[in-house]
Amino acid sequence: DQQVKQNSPSLSVQEGRISILNCDYTNSMFDYFLWYKKYPAEGPTFLISISSIKDKNEDGRFTVFLNKSAKHLSLHIVPSQPGDSAVYFCAASAPGGTSYGKLTFGQGTILTVHP
Amino acid sequence: KAGVTQTPRYLIKTRGQQVTLSCSPISGHRSVSWYQQTPGQGLQFLFEYFSETQRNKGNFPGRFSGRQFSNSRSEMNVSTLELGDSALYLCASSLPSNIQYFGAGTRLSVL
Repeated sequence: DQQVKQNSPSLSVQEGRISILNCDYTNSMFDYFLWYKKYPAEGPTFLISISSIKDKNEDGRFTVFLNKSAKHLSLHIVPSQPGDSAVYFCAASAPGGTSYGKLTFGQGTILTVHP
Repeated sequence: KAGVTQTPRYLIKTRGQQVTLSCSPISGHRSVSWYQQTPGQGLQFLFEYFSETQRNKGNFPGRFSGRQFSNSRSEMNVSTLELGDSALYLCASSLPSNIQYFGAGTRLSVL
């Protein structure tokens, strides 16, 4: 039962253009969503997050959009840079109780930004 | 501020052995979560510790266990290793808050 899904295993974008990474979830108890970037042989690095009470959060070149009715979120990177090439993971958490300290991750999307 | 430190970075064991992995969280962080990453299953939650107490546990067999010390450092132990335990084991710390910060991981190979 995959509660967080990233349906695109890979995405290729030209430098300077927009990268859009998508994520869908099924568990309506999720109330906080995060994006992580991961390089080979390193742990995931936190990028940006959004609470379910918001529909948009921006941080520099990164913007996350949340559509609760569709149970869908997306990460926009503008402009894309070659250094952004990595695996991007979407993750979600639910409030307290049996969800303490637990993030549920998608399978990841490999982003390649070509110079 | 130093990040999350995991030791060792690489480990090779044989089936049937046991292994202990260590995690030092970011200073001031009191919650430590452990995850297993494999190509087939992705990132799977193992367990979480806060104030030396396990508050949450994922769907893994009892061979996987952990503990947390009074300084918030954590260890996880896998007994009777199986080939399928080969994976990247990641530790993450938080204040606690919704945002977790990950270490570089320990790559375990079981032969």
